[in-house]
Amino acid sequence: ETGVTQSPTHLIKTRGQQVTLRCSSQSGHNTVSWYQQALGQGPQFIFQYYREEENGRGNFPPRFSGLQFPNYSSELNVNALELDDSALYLCASSFGLAGGYEQFFGPGTRLTVL
Amino acid sequence: DQQVKQNSPSLSVQEGRISILNCDYTNSMFDYFLWYKKYPAEGPTFLISISSIKDKNEDGRFTVFLNKSAKHLSLHIVPSQPGDSAVYFCAATRDFGNEKLTFGTGTRLTIIP
Repeated sequence: ETGVTQSPTHLIKTRGQQVTLRCSSQSGHNTVSWYQQALGQGPQFIFQYYREEENGRGNFPPRFSGLQFPNYSSELNVNALELDDSALYLCASSFGLAGGYEQFFGPGTRLTVL
Repeated sequence: DQQVKQNSPSLSVQEGRISILNCDYTNSMFDYFLWYKKYPAEGPTFLISISSIKDKNEDGRFTVFLNKSAKHLSLHIVPSQPGDSAVYFCAATRDFGNEKLTFGTGTRLTIIP
């Protein structure tokens, strides 16, 4: 059974640029949630995709957008990068809209915005 | 507005002793609580959870206690082992089945051999 994978591992961008982060969900999972973890903070919910539709969004501006593909993998896109977007971005997959304990997290993508 | 708070950024405990990690929440609508453990360069891993209809849940060396009136939960690890050294996050959610988790800021636990 393949776990949740994320790519790339690390990424460096400059202010104003755009970035795409990718997540492959665990086999059999149809739901993907994205979280942002700033340094010294806990993960913060960005949004969730269930069967290719957005199903819930946290307090993030519209320049954070996402997509889920028919194979349930997902992308997180961030436009017009700001310095405060520097963080670890975590993807979690689950089957259906299950409780949080059934979410399996990937190792994250470390984004640095200069 | 920090709805889930872990006021101790770090904790050191001797191997074999009990580790107690604390978490407070402010949103009375939360009804399901979880603890995650995170090693460096890995994603958080689910550890144990508790529903608001219970006040205690045990799983091996790990026990979570919930005090709803005080809006407080704690994680007890006994006996503590070196492999328990990690960052522990408390998380909460509304409505079991609502997958949106609200996390605390984490407590770094160090087990001293």
